[in-house]
Amino acid sequence: ETGVTQSPTHLIKTRGQQVTLRCSSQSGHNTVSWYQQALGQGPQFIFQYYREEENGRGNFPPRFSGLQFPNYSSELNVNALELDDSALYLCASSEIADYEQYFGPGTRLTVT
Amino acid sequence: QKEVEQNSGPLSVPEGAIASLNCTYSDRGSQSFFWYRQYSGKSPELIMFIYSNGDKEDGRFTAQLNKASQYVSLLIRDSQPSDSATYLCAVNIDQTGANNLFFGTGTRLTVIP
Repeated sequence: ETGVTQSPTHLIKTRGQQVTLRCSSQSGHNTVSWYQQALGQGPQFIFQYYREEENGRGNFPPRFSGLQFPNYSSELNVNALELDDSALYLCASSEIADYEQYFGPGTRLTVT
Repeated sequence: QKEVEQNSGPLSVPEGAIASLNCTYSDRGSQSFFWYRQYSGKSPELIMFIYSNGDKEDGRFTAQLNKASQYVSLLIRDSQPSDSATYLCAVNIDQTGANNLFFGTGTRLTVIP
């Protein structure tokens, strides 16, 4: 157990809808990164948050957005859902000075 | 060329044998290298990280890094059926100003009792 929690565990949405996923970081960690893992693929970096600001972004469109709160927890929002957004969404927490990242259990999103 | 490449396998080894997992990466500026284990339906679990050339041992696991060849490997000694999982190689590539990881597609390992 890493101490990183995510909610919900599973989610089913319809194309065009919006979704919010939540993550609580491990105690002592001030940085949260979000990844998308499609079936049979490795995780892909979406973005990272540090001190409540986006601290880097991968190759994802602006309809993927996020927030970080003063307690270091974070949200991932996805607007205008597409079928290809169906994936396991992973949150990872770390210290900004460290490279090791620890993943939460993930949220399985299915878009129909 | 992908940033991180792994043989997707599957790799099958008998119980008690050494499993050898390999990974190559494209960015010579990469500084940090990680191995994650992912059981089916679960999230990745960090099992090893290595920053310097050479070997790093932790129990039955040994990570090997060769920056000149842009190659990192994971050896699992005395393989157990519980080691059966997908092993993801990840590399820190600071292209975006963030500490983000690039992952390979993973190698599926099966340890046969």
